[in-house]
Amino acid sequence: KQEVTQIPAALSVPEGENLVLNCSFTDSAIYNLQWFRQDPGKGLTSLLLIQSSQREQTSGRLNASLDKSSGRSTLYIAASQPGDSATYLCAVMNSGYSTLTFGKGTMLLVSP
Amino acid sequence: ETGVTQSPTHLIKTRGQQVTLRCSSQSGHNTVSWYQQALGQGPQFIFQYYREEENGRGNFPPRFSGLQFPNYSSELNVNALELDDSALYLCASSSGLAGGPGELFFGEGSRLTVL
Repeated sequence: KQEVTQIPAALSVPEGENLVLNCSFTDSAIYNLQWFRQDPGKGLTSLLLIQSSQREQTSGRLNASLDKSSGRSTLYIAASQPGDSATYLCAVMNSGYSTLTFGKGTMLLVSP
Repeated sequence: ETGVTQSPTHLIKTRGQQVTLRCSSQSGHNTVSWYQQALGQGPQFIFQYYREEENGRGNFPPRFSGLQFPNYSSELNVNALELDDSALYLCASSSGLAGGPGELFFGEGSRLTVL
């Protein structure tokens, strides 16, 4: 059974810092990995999708890497802003399925 | 291109009642899946529909049931509501399965409170 763990559970940083969110998964037979953002009480916004054959994806100030063999992904946020405050969720899609297994998320607070 | 829309956004029920949640998938998507997100937790997979057939189910009891319609919209029904059913219910659509799983796009969710 796939299990996804995210560290840290919560993170508070001053504006402008570069930061790294970590995600690990137990079964390396994944099809892809997605990072999502969730604002309080809202739905999920897809940030980055990394296929199993890829090593990283970039979008603006966000960069996500994937090391499938070690079961790890990181989300790097450059020059953080207060608007980045949200919960960030990592989810993996196992090969042979089209459903996602999620971690519990990292709650990020960026203070001005 | 319209996104995934869910209704209602919020609702309150009492224990033992039944509820129906609705989801309109993104244009061109033929696969719909439902997730339950309890407070402080990651979403948990409930079930998935592809071309009106259920083709995957998570660890949820039979009182959680669903439908997918010819236009690929979907319903989630929960009977005999329990307090622990209080959660955010998320619908996701994708264009997957025939050509392999695709990226999932989520709606804003339906917040269910059971008293």
